[in-house]
Amino acid sequence: NAGVTQTPKFQVLKTGQSMTLQCAQDMNHEYMSWYRQDPGMGLRLIHYSVGAGITDQGEVPNGYNVSRSTTEDFPLRLLSAAPSQTSVYFCASRANSNQPQHFGDGTRLSIL
Amino acid sequence: AQRVTQPEKLLSVFKGAPVELKCNYSYSGSPELFWYVQYSRQRLQLLLRHISRESIKGFTADLNKGETSFHLKKPFAQEEDSAMYYCALKQGGKYIFGTGTRLKVLA
Repeated sequence: NAGVTQTPKFQVLKTGQSMTLQCAQDMNHEYMSWYRQDPGMGLRLIHYSVGAGITDQGEVPNGYNVSRSTTEDFPLRLLSAAPSQTSVYFCASRANSNQPQHFGDGTRLSIL
Repeated sequence: AQRVTQPEKLLSVFKGAPVELKCNYSYSGSPELFWYVQYSRQRLQLLLRHISRESIKGFTADLNKGETSFHLKKPFAQEEDSAMYYCALKQGGKYIFGTGTRLKVLA
């Protein structure tokens, strides 16, 4: 199993551009989440999903969209990138509510 | 509101010294708490959770409901313990993370 795979690993965008960060897991996990990691702020939850077709907002959802068409994939979309969205983004999955989270390697995103 | 507080951004200790990484939480229900660790150039991974009452890599953490704390402890720090540590609270389908503490173990 590859676990949780995030692509790309690095990306530079210009303000106003759109972008989709990909997250895929091959463990048949129901729960998936997106976090952003910023210095001094820790990990903050952007959006999460408890199963295919179900998504919900986290702590900092503004400026981001998600969808969960399949169990395996949970893409994160930036509709119009802003410098404040410069961060490291982590995707995580877990089998169910009682199981620990598995994290991806992260995507480092810079917006100029 | 539910929140997790890690008061120390950076904790430096000498090898062999005891370590305590502080975590306090606010939660109205019965909490489920975790410690996650991120070593340099590695993925964030689960270190331990309070319901397991286990010791991982010499680390333990006890849930103190009276003090609403879940401090991470190790009696003798090792250089390979240097990492970023996050305390997290599970609330339904989502986790709330603290801001993290960077532990540096000095030779």
